[in-house]
Amino acid sequence: DGGITQSPKYLFRKEGQNVTLSCEQNLNHDAMYWYRQDPGQGLRLIYYSQIVNDFQKGDIAEGYSVSREKKESFPLTVTSAQKNPTAFYLCASSIFQQGGQPQHFGDGTRLSIL
Amino acid sequence: AQSVTQLGSHVSVSEGALVLLRCNYSSSVPPYLFWYVQYPNQGLQLLLKYTSAATLVKGINGFEAEFKKSETSFHLTKPSAHMSDAAEYFCAVIPTGNQFYFGTGTSLTVIP
Repeated sequence: DGGITQSPKYLFRKEGQNVTLSCEQNLNHDAMYWYRQDPGQGLRLIYYSQIVNDFQKGDIAEGYSVSREKKESFPLTVTSAQKNPTAFYLCASSIFQQGGQPQHFGDGTRLSIL
Repeated sequence: AQSVTQLGSHVSVSEGALVLLRCNYSSSVPPYLFWYVQYPNQGLQLLLKYTSAATLVKGINGFEAEFKKSETSFHLTKPSAHMSDAAEYFCAVIPTGNQFYFGTGTSLTVIP
């Protein structure tokens, strides 16, 4: 079945450590997205990519980095510069050829601080 | 700025009662509109989408939503709530292009 796989499901970060969240999709979608979800705040866009080797900052990109070397993969690195990384992180993808396409989501990674 | 507002962060209904979750958008042109559902510790699942083909949109699990341009609303309804409907619901809008804007969500509790 086609879908989006996020791993790990739970992740713990020590102070000063960078951690990388994995996102892989086999839907052949062009666009991929990373969101952060905090209680009561909905989803906030961190980064998005419309094509391989290209990505743009979202609303809360500070302290995060991404890469898009393959169409299927869009890993997110939470750097030590992100002082409040505890959150639920969601990866999504969509067809980008025309507007109005829904985004499809993975099951998320919950990041906590040790 | 384009945005979407969900009225009521928490809604409680009795099992078998009508479910009504409210969503209003701000857009100068008819946008694309979506409803998603999220169960605990899971991602978002698409319930339904409005793309101007019809104002009344039917989705999965018995949900439907009606696009009302005059009220800039896209409320989600279900005639009879089931215990399995308890979840977080998000309204989302694409005003133009492909940028999604999500509401802050409504947590639905179903009382047995």
